[in-house]
Amino acid sequence: DTEVTQTPKHLVMGMTNKKSLKCEQHMGHRAMYWYKQKAKKPPELMFVYSYEKLSINESVPSRFSPECPNSSLLNLHLHALQPEDSALYLCASSQDSREGLAQTYEQYFGPGTRLTVT
Amino acid sequence: GDSVTQMEGPVTLSEEAFLTINCTYTATGYPSLFWYVQYPGEGLQLLLKATKADDKGSNKGFEATYRKETTSFHLEKGSVQVSDSAVYFCALSDSQFYFGTGTSLTVIP
Repeated sequence: DTEVTQTPKHLVMGMTNKKSLKCEQHMGHRAMYWYKQKAKKPPELMFVYSYEKLSINESVPSRFSPECPNSSLLNLHLHALQPEDSALYLCASSQDSREGLAQTYEQYFGPGTRLTVT
Repeated sequence: GDSVTQMEGPVTLSEEAFLTINCTYTATGYPSLFWYVQYPGEGLQLLLKATKADDKGSNKGFEATYRKETTSFHLEKGSVQVSDSAVYFCALSDSQFYFGTGTSLTVIP
């Protein structure tokens, strides 16, 4: 099974709302990722979790707050977003190593959450 | 630093035509190479991969060969179908993961 699931599929939120995106995988992967993808562009890395610890934060604004409750789950908490944050948010997972070489392995992506900020 | 350069799109082909999407890379180490496909409204799917020089990745009629001498990993398919219409991303993994800019393919009946 190489499935990564994400909920919700679509989300519309106002700039004062608080919402969360959820991601789950059951492949035994110990690295999980959040990406942001704008139309007609490649995914941009936001966060990497390695063995449930945040290992990379690509200078993402604090209105995005990731959380990794366990090795299968990854959340992205959203608060006070801006219209320019509207995008497809993708979760991915991969194998990892204790040497922090998660990004040497292939990544498996979920279907994404289409976020619209009004 | 490492990078991936991908053929500019969009590409439009007739059904059963031959497809090539060019991808070249720059890397300091010995990266693994991937092709991902993204169908409209969906996430990225791993299409194929190669982990060392001269490896050939293949899946669903698509092929790509890891060419170290030309630093290339071109995607090919002998006969495209309408259902192959999608955006294709070449990617490299070394200590980090790098995506190309993507190539949009439209196949017309």
